[in-house]
Amino acid sequence: ETGVTQTPRHLVMGMTNKKSLKCEQHLGHNAMYWYKQSAKKPLELMFVYSLEERVENNSVPSRFSPECPNSSHLFLHLHTLQPEDSALYLCASSDGEKLFFGSGTQLSVL
Amino acid sequence: GENVEQHPSTLSVQEGDSAVIKCTYSDSASNYFPWYKQELGKGPQLIIDIRSNVGEKKDQRIAVTLNKTAKHFSLHITETQPEDSAVYFCAASVSGYSTLTFGKGTMLLVSP
Repeated sequence: ETGVTQTPRHLVMGMTNKKSLKCEQHLGHNAMYWYKQSAKKPLELMFVYSLEERVENNSVPSRFSPECPNSSHLFLHLHTLQPEDSALYLCASSDGEKLFFGSGTQLSVL
Repeated sequence: GENVEQHPSTLSVQEGDSAVIKCTYSDSASNYFPWYKQELGKGPQLIIDIRSNVGEKKDQRIAVTLNKTAKHFSLHITETQPEDSAVYFCAASVSGYSTLTFGKGTMLLVSP
């Protein structure tokens, strides 16, 4: 495994639910990322945290709320999602150059 | 910003054949070019990378070439095996300064 662990692996939620995705990295990296992967689209960068501060936010709707309590943990809080938000959500960490991904959370919004 | 184009989108080969995937980038400042392999149900995994001060790099059956003048780089897989079947992504960045920009991916199918 890559040293980046994501939970849960699969999530089904209704549009009115609130849920959270969790990511943990065991690599000693100081940068963490959230990506969205939809079918037939490039990987979309959502958020970047460096030294626990958000340094990039790529026009992501406010129904996605990231949290980085320390350099090893990253969360993505979800609320009032839309069906088009169904996708694979990937967490990654970096040593400043190489990017290491987790296995992702497959999210389905009904 | 950087733009990375990747071709082809799908590639089917027979076991034992070679496979080549090509990418072009737009930002001449980019100097780091990794390739990722994504198997079904898994996240992308780094398989090889190259920096702009090197023209070619090999790791067993995998090689990457870089042409800075033309701003394109390629992944070469020789003696393909069914377990090479996956989606491959190229990416580019200015090392230490920018986040990676990914291509759209190539689905490689290796038939026994």
